[in-house]
Amino acid sequence: GAGVSQSPSNKVTEKGKDVELRCDPISGHTALYWYRQSLGQGLEFLIYFQGNSAPDKSGLPSDRFSAERTGGSVSTLTIQRTQQEDSAVYLCASSLSSLAGATDTQYFGPGTRLTVL
Amino acid sequence: AQSVAQPEDQVNVAEGNPLTVKCTYSVSGNPYLFWYVQYPNRGLQFLLKYITGDNLVKGSYGFEAEFNKSQTSFHLKKPSALVSDSALYFCAVFSNRDDKIIFGKGTRLHILP
Repeated sequence: GAGVSQSPSNKVTEKGKDVELRCDPISGHTALYWYRQSLGQGLEFLIYFQGNSAPDKSGLPSDRFSAERTGGSVSTLTIQRTQQEDSAVYLCASSLSSLAGATDTQYFGPGTRLTVL
Repeated sequence: AQSVAQPEDQVNVAEGNPLTVKCTYSVSGNPYLFWYVQYPNRGLQFLLKYITGDNLVKGSYGFEAEFNKSQTSFHLKKPSALVSDSALYFCAVFSNRDDKIIFGKGTRLHILP
């Protein structure tokens, strides 16, 4: 079956503009995660969803970042008023269940490379 | 505080030699430990995980990792490296007490032909 998909694969934007990143998880996966990978850095956890709710938003770096998930499937990560330091690869992952069952393997999408000029 | 460390930014190994990629962790409660690999221009892929049971865990592509509670380590190993193993490897730890998963910074593995 299809894996996790993300769109766009690349996004170049100007400082101050808003961007929206999309993630389509594996069908049937109730848990969805967003991460950020900056150059030279490890993966930074941003947020995870169990169904449509987000029990843990503590990883979002600022109030310019928000995420939503509808229908227990597609999720969008929105960055408002982008800054140059937002440039990174944004990775989405999904797993069968939530962190309460964090033993479930996370399957990662290919990522969206965001460049803020 | 929960943390994971990969002390080596890069590891170089000759093809056919054994390889080790190091990972140490700090959690409150019991750790759940993972290794992921990122090949060039591809997303992360799951390699293996330790939840409970045998300390030696076997995973994909011939990799294995040993959970060492006393040393709080979960080093990734392979008996004989292949050039195709060259990639970026991430160790991750989850604690059900902290309810969050943390990834290390990654170790770039170069297998030299």
